[in-house]
Amino acid sequence: AQSVAQPEDQVNVAEGNPLTVKCTYSVSGNPYLFWYVQYPNRGLQFLLKYITGDNLVKGSYGFEAEFNKSQTSFHLKKPSALVSDSALYFCAVIPRGDYKLSFGAGTTVTVRA
Amino acid sequence: SQTIHQWPATLVQPVGSPLSLECTVEGTSNPNLYWYRQAAGRGLQLLFYSVGIGQISSEVPQNLSASRPQDRQFILSSKKLLLSDSGFYLCAWSTLRGAGNTIYFGEGSWLTVV
Repeated sequence: AQSVAQPEDQVNVAEGNPLTVKCTYSVSGNPYLFWYVQYPNRGLQFLLKYITGDNLVKGSYGFEAEFNKSQTSFHLKKPSALVSDSALYFCAVIPRGDYKLSFGAGTTVTVRA
Repeated sequence: SQTIHQWPATLVQPVGSPLSLECTVEGTSNPNLYWYRQAAGRGLQLLFYSVGIGQISSEVPQNLSASRPQDRQFILSSKKLLLSDSGFYLCAWSTLRGAGNTIYFGEGSWLTVV
């Protein structure tokens, strides 16, 4: 069975500090990997995805993610966090040949001024 | 550009009443369409998906049903709501073809069953 794990329910960082949100997956083959962000009472916004190629993927709002095949991880990063980055972040996967997203449980990010 | 509209944004319904949530996508044709439910502000559960008109697949047995009467319209329904149907419902779409297509979400509908 496929699964996505976000080991941290909550991440707290100071504004200006680097931000990392962790994600590991257990999916056979080479899945497609995604990050979404959700602000309170809003839908999910797409940040970035990994399909193939360069292991470092750049996305919206200054976020990037690093794919590590040997560790089956896809951690989200931002070099300098902003207070406005405070939100709920979801990692998700689509197995090759499929078209349905499976989500991790989400990580709440709080950036303090 | 493509847009997705979902309504109503919020509704409060009594137990046993019917439900209809609607979703439409503009700017694309033959999309994959999805209904997700988010409970307790966290986990997202896929309820239904559709790859074409009249083609609905259910992921989880439940009190809900879905229909796709037109190419870009997806409706979530219930004949009799239960308290456990309360939650945040999200419609989403992706293009039908291509590898690793991004799934885009609507703004969601808050349902409170009382």
